[in-house]
Amino acid sequence: NAGVTQTPKFRVLKTGQSMTLLCAQDMNHEYMYWYRQDPGMGLRLIHYSVGEGTTAKGEVPDGYNVSRLKKQNFLLGLESAAPSQTSVYFCASSYGQGAYNEQFFGPGTRLTVL
Amino acid sequence: TQLLEQSPQFLSIQEGENLTVYCNSSSVFSSLQWYRQEPGEGPVLLVTVVTGGEVKKLKRLTFQFGDARKDSSLHITAAQPGDTGLYLCAGETSGSRLTFGEGTQLTVNP
Repeated sequence: NAGVTQTPKFRVLKTGQSMTLLCAQDMNHEYMYWYRQDPGMGLRLIHYSVGEGTTAKGEVPDGYNVSRLKKQNFLLGLESAAPSQTSVYFCASSYGQGAYNEQFFGPGTRLTVL
Repeated sequence: TQLLEQSPQFLSIQEGENLTVYCNSSSVFSSLQWYRQEPGEGPVLLVTVVTGGEVKKLKRLTFQFGDARKDSSLHITAAQPGDTGLYLCAGETSGSRLTFGEGTQLTVNP
Protein backbone atom coordinates (compact mmCIF):
# COMPACT_ATOMS: atom_id res chain seq x y z
CA ASN A 1 0.00 0.00 0.00
CA ALA A 2 1.96 3.00 -1.31
CA GLY A 3 -0.63 5.68 -0.43
CA VAL A 4 -0.21 8.76 -2.62
CA THR A 5 2.72 8.89 -5.02
CA GLN A 6 3.87 11.76 -7.24
CA THR A 7 6.03 11.78 -10.34
CA PRO A 8 8.52 13.40 -10.82
CA LYS A 9 10.07 14.55 -7.54
CA PHE A 10 12.08 17.37 -9.08
CA ARG A 11 11.90 19.20 -12.39
CA VAL A 12 13.48 22.26 -13.95
CA LEU A 13 11.72 23.91 -16.88
CA LYS A 14 12.43 26.87 -19.10
CA THR A 15 9.78 29.54 -19.51
CA GLY A 16 7.23 28.45 -22.10
CA GLN A 17 7.86 24.71 -21.78
CA SER A 18 5.08 22.32 -20.86
CA MET A 19 4.93 19.39 -18.49
CA THR A 20 2.57 17.03 -16.71
CA LEU A 21 2.72 16.02 -13.06
CA LEU A 22 1.28 12.62 -12.24
CA CYS A 23 -0.44 11.71 -9.00
CA ALA A 24 -1.53 8.18 -8.16
CA GLN A 25 -3.35 6.80 -5.12
CA ASP A 26 -4.09 3.18 -4.21
CA MET A 27 -6.64 3.82 -1.44
CA ASN A 28 -9.72 3.88 -3.70
CA HIS A 29 -10.40 7.49 -2.72
CA GLU A 30 -13.03 9.46 -4.57
CA TYR A 31 -11.58 12.91 -3.97
CA MET A 32 -8.23 14.15 -5.25
CA TYR A 33 -6.57 17.55 -5.03
CA TRP A 34 -3.63 19.53 -6.35
CA TYR A 35 -2.03 22.20 -4.16
CA ARG A 36 0.95 24.47 -4.48
CA GLN A 37 3.01 25.52 -1.50
CA ASP A 38 4.98 28.73 -1.46
CA PRO A 39 6.90 30.31 1.45
CA GLY A 40 4.59 32.23 3.76
CA MET A 41 1.51 31.23 1.75
CA GLY A 42 0.66 27.83 3.12
CA LEU A 43 -1.06 25.40 0.76
CA ARG A 44 -3.29 26.81 -1.96
CA LEU A 45 -5.75 24.66 -3.88
CA ILE A 46 -5.24 24.63 -7.66
CA HIS A 47 -7.82 22.12 -8.88
CA TYR A 48 -9.68 19.22 -7.38
CA SER A 49 -11.83 16.26 -8.38
CA VAL A 50 -14.77 14.67 -6.59
CA GLY A 51 -14.72 11.52 -8.69
CA GLU A 52 -13.52 9.89 -11.89
CA GLY A 53 -14.20 12.09 -14.90
CA THR A 54 -14.83 15.25 -12.83
CA THR A 55 -12.65 18.29 -12.18
CA ALA A 56 -13.23 21.68 -10.59
CA LYS A 57 -11.29 24.89 -10.08
CA GLY A 58 -9.76 25.76 -6.77
CA GLU A 59 -8.30 28.98 -5.44
CA VAL A 60 -5.46 29.46 -7.98
CA PRO A 61 -6.36 27.59 -11.21
CA ASP A 62 -4.93 29.96 -13.84
CA GLY A 63 -2.15 28.47 -15.95
CA TYR A 64 -2.97 24.88 -14.97
CA ASN A 65 -5.18 22.13 -16.35
CA VAL A 66 -6.11 18.78 -14.86
CA SER A 67 -7.62 15.47 -15.88
CA ARG A 68 -9.07 12.53 -13.93
CA LEU A 69 -9.58 9.82 -16.53
CA LYS A 70 -9.02 7.02 -14.02
CA LYS A 71 -10.12 7.04 -10.39
CA GLN A 72 -6.62 6.38 -9.11
CA ASN A 73 -4.84 9.05 -11.16
CA PHE A 74 -4.99 12.85 -11.19
CA LEU A 75 -2.82 14.72 -13.68
CA LEU A 76 -1.75 18.35 -13.43
CA GLY A 77 -0.60 20.06 -16.62
CA LEU A 78 1.29 23.25 -17.25
CA GLU A 79 0.88 24.24 -20.90
CA SER A 80 3.31 27.17 -20.92
CA ALA A 81 5.35 27.39 -17.74
CA ALA A 82 6.11 30.76 -16.16
CA PRO A 83 8.59 31.67 -13.39
CA SER A 84 5.61 32.43 -11.12
CA GLN A 85 4.81 28.73 -11.22
CA THR A 86 8.03 27.86 -9.42
CA SER A 87 6.73 26.08 -6.34
CA VAL A 88 6.35 22.79 -4.54
CA TYR A 89 3.29 20.91 -5.77
CA PHE A 90 1.41 18.48 -3.57
CA CYS A 91 -1.25 16.02 -4.54
CA ALA A 92 -3.71 14.73 -1.95
CA SER A 93 -6.63 12.35 -1.82
CA SER A 94 -9.48 11.71 0.59
CA TYR A 95 -12.25 9.18 1.06
CA GLY A 96 -15.03 11.66 1.62
CA GLN A 97 -15.81 15.12 2.84
CA GLY A 98 -16.69 16.86 6.04
CA ALA A 99 -15.17 15.55 9.24
CA TYR A 100 -14.07 12.46 7.33
CA ASN A 101 -12.09 14.54 4.92
CA GLU A 102 -8.63 13.48 6.11
CA GLN A 103 -6.45 14.32 3.18
CA PHE A 104 -3.50 12.05 2.49
CA PHE A 105 -0.65 13.88 0.81
CA GLY A 106 2.05 12.76 -1.55
CA PRO A 107 5.71 13.68 -1.01
CA GLY A 108 5.58 16.66 -3.38
CA THR A 109 7.17 17.76 -6.65
CA ARG A 110 9.64 20.62 -6.56
CA LEU A 111 9.34 22.60 -9.80
CA THR A 112 11.64 25.39 -10.87
CA VAL A 113 10.84 27.51 -13.92
CA LEU A 114 13.75 29.53 -15.26
CA THR B 1 -6.85 36.98 0.94
CA GLN B 2 -5.86 34.48 3.63
CA LEU B 3 -9.00 33.17 5.30
CA LEU B 4 -7.02 31.53 8.06
CA GLU B 5 -4.23 33.37 9.85
CA GLN B 6 -1.74 31.52 11.97
CA SER B 7 0.47 33.01 14.64
CA PRO B 8 3.27 33.04 15.22
CA GLN B 9 4.78 32.29 11.82
CA PHE B 10 8.07 31.20 13.37
CA LEU B 11 8.78 29.86 16.83
CA SER B 12 12.12 28.68 18.22
CA ILE B 13 12.14 27.30 21.73
CA GLN B 14 14.21 25.10 24.02
CA GLU B 15 13.37 21.50 24.81
CA GLY B 16 10.97 21.27 27.74
CA GLU B 17 9.20 24.58 27.13
CA ASN B 18 5.49 24.91 26.48
CA LEU B 19 4.04 26.72 23.47
CA THR B 20 0.74 27.67 21.86
CA VAL B 21 0.01 28.20 18.18
CA TYR B 22 -3.09 30.09 17.09
CA CYS B 23 -5.30 29.81 14.02
CA ASN B 24 -7.83 32.62 13.52
CA SER B 25 -10.47 33.52 10.98
CA SER B 26 -13.50 35.73 10.53
CA SER B 27 -15.24 32.80 8.83
CA VAL B 28 -17.09 29.92 10.46
CA PHE B 29 -15.85 26.44 9.61
CA SER B 30 -17.79 23.20 9.91
CA SER B 31 -14.59 21.46 10.96
CA LEU B 32 -10.95 22.31 11.41
CA GLN B 33 -7.89 20.15 10.99
CA TRP B 34 -4.31 20.41 12.15
CA TYR B 35 -1.49 18.94 10.10
CA ARG B 36 2.24 18.61 10.68
CA GLN B 37 4.71 18.72 7.83
CA GLU B 38 8.36 17.70 7.94
CA PRO B 39 10.98 18.83 5.40
CA GLY B 40 10.66 17.10 2.04
CA GLU B 41 7.35 15.46 2.91
CA GLY B 42 3.67 16.18 2.60
CA PRO B 43 1.51 17.24 5.55
CA VAL B 44 0.16 14.56 7.87
CA LEU B 45 -3.11 14.93 9.75
CA LEU B 46 -2.85 15.27 13.53
CA VAL B 47 -6.46 15.90 14.51
CA THR B 48 -9.90 17.04 13.34
CA VAL B 49 -12.16 19.13 15.56
CA VAL B 50 -15.81 19.49 14.70
CA THR B 51 -17.81 20.88 17.64
CA GLY B 52 -17.48 24.44 18.96
CA GLY B 53 -15.54 24.37 22.24
CA GLU B 54 -14.19 20.89 21.56
CA VAL B 55 -10.87 19.93 23.12
CA LYS B 56 -8.82 16.99 21.90
CA LYS B 57 -5.59 15.67 23.31
CA LEU B 58 -2.90 13.75 21.49
CA LYS B 59 -0.19 12.85 24.01
CA ARG B 60 1.49 16.22 24.79
CA LEU B 61 -0.56 18.12 22.18
CA THR B 62 -3.87 19.76 23.07
CA PHE B 63 -6.15 21.11 20.37
CA GLN B 64 -9.11 23.42 20.98
CA PHE B 65 -11.82 24.61 18.63
CA GLY B 66 -13.31 27.99 19.44
CA ASP B 67 -16.90 28.20 20.64
CA ALA B 68 -17.91 30.08 17.48
CA ARG B 69 -15.90 27.67 15.27
CA LYS B 70 -13.84 30.54 13.86
CA ASP B 71 -10.56 29.85 15.61
CA SER B 72 -8.43 27.11 17.05
CA SER B 73 -5.31 26.64 19.10
CA LEU B 74 -2.62 24.00 19.46
CA HIS B 75 -0.78 23.76 22.76
CA ILE B 76 2.33 21.61 23.18
CA THR B 77 3.52 20.73 26.65
CA ALA B 78 7.19 20.02 27.33
CA ALA B 79 8.24 20.31 23.70
CA GLN B 80 10.78 17.86 22.32
CA PRO B 81 13.10 18.12 19.29
CA GLY B 82 10.88 15.57 17.55
CA ASP B 83 8.07 18.15 17.59
CA THR B 84 10.03 20.30 15.14
CA GLY B 85 8.10 20.90 11.94
CA LEU B 86 5.62 23.08 10.10
CA TYR B 87 2.19 23.09 11.72
CA LEU B 88 -0.74 23.89 9.46
CA CYS B 89 -4.36 24.49 10.33
CA ALA B 90 -7.04 23.93 7.69
CA GLY B 91 -10.70 24.84 7.80
CA GLU B 92 -13.34 23.01 5.85
CA THR B 93 -15.22 25.29 3.47
CA SER B 94 -17.95 24.47 0.99
CA GLY B 95 -18.01 20.96 -0.35
CA SER B 96 -14.87 18.97 0.22
CA ARG B 97 -12.43 21.85 0.13
CA LEU B 98 -9.93 22.81 2.81
CA THR B 99 -8.50 26.30 3.26
CA PHE B 100 -5.05 26.21 4.83
CA GLY B 101 -3.34 28.74 7.03
CA GLU B 102 0.18 29.85 6.15
CA GLY B 103 1.71 27.64 8.79
CA THR B 104 3.82 27.95 11.93
CA GLN B 105 7.41 26.77 11.66
CA LEU B 106 8.38 25.32 15.03
CA THR B 107 11.98 24.57 15.99
CA VAL B 108 12.68 22.84 19.29
CA ASN B 109 16.33 23.04 20.26
CA PRO B 110 17.90 20.30 22.42
